[in-house]
Amino acid sequence: GQNIDQPTEMTATEGAIVQINCTYQTSGFNGLFWYQQHAGEAPTFLSYNVLDGLEEKGRFSSFLSRSKGYSYLLLKELQMKDSASYLCAVRDNTGGFKTIFGAGTRLFVKA
Amino acid sequence: DTEVTQTPKHLVMGMTNKKSLKCEQHMGHRAMYWYKQKAKKPPELMFVYSYEKLSINESVPSRFSPECPNSSLLNLHLHALQPEDSALYLCASSQDVVGATVTQYFGPGTRLTVL
Repeated sequence: GQNIDQPTEMTATEGAIVQINCTYQTSGFNGLFWYQQHAGEAPTFLSYNVLDGLEEKGRFSSFLSRSKGYSYLLLKELQMKDSASYLCAVRDNTGGFKTIFGAGTRLFVKA
Repeated sequence: DTEVTQTPKHLVMGMTNKKSLKCEQHMGHRAMYWYKQKAKKPPELMFVYSYEKLSINESVPSRFSPECPNSSLLNLHLHALQPEDSALYLCASSQDVVGATVTQYFGPGTRLTVL
């Protein structure tokens, strides 16, 4: 089976840096996604890591360590609009290619 | 263009009604997905279509019936739903189901209320 863990909530200050961690256990790991979801809206794609290391994309970076079953999403220069849920999702090829979502981390950015 | 469209945006239906949710993409993607999302919960996979064929059914009750008329369209037919089926129904598409082209792009969702 699969298990994905991320903190339920985090709070950070505008302009600061925040790191959202995700740990996972899966038998057929085939990549890890981060999505952003504002309340009542659809998830929007942020990043996809399939190899170990850091992927940087503007203010957002994502890191993966396959041996540790660990990823993080780093958000720099936080803005109020970054207040949202951040979903870690693992792609698993057991029984067909599926993307399994973690419960999400609700990030509150305060002034 | 990474747009996936869904209609309707909101739907209220009774337990005896039959309705359909529609999803469309014109990105040439060959994989399309239906997810169900309850409030403050992650999306849960329901169905995956790959090259217009159903490839994954996550043991979804038969009152939900997916259909893929062509590579751009995905429908979800609803019949005899229960109040607990009320949720946000999300459609997504990806270029393929394997390789580096697996990133899923989501539509805005249909918020379904079953009375």
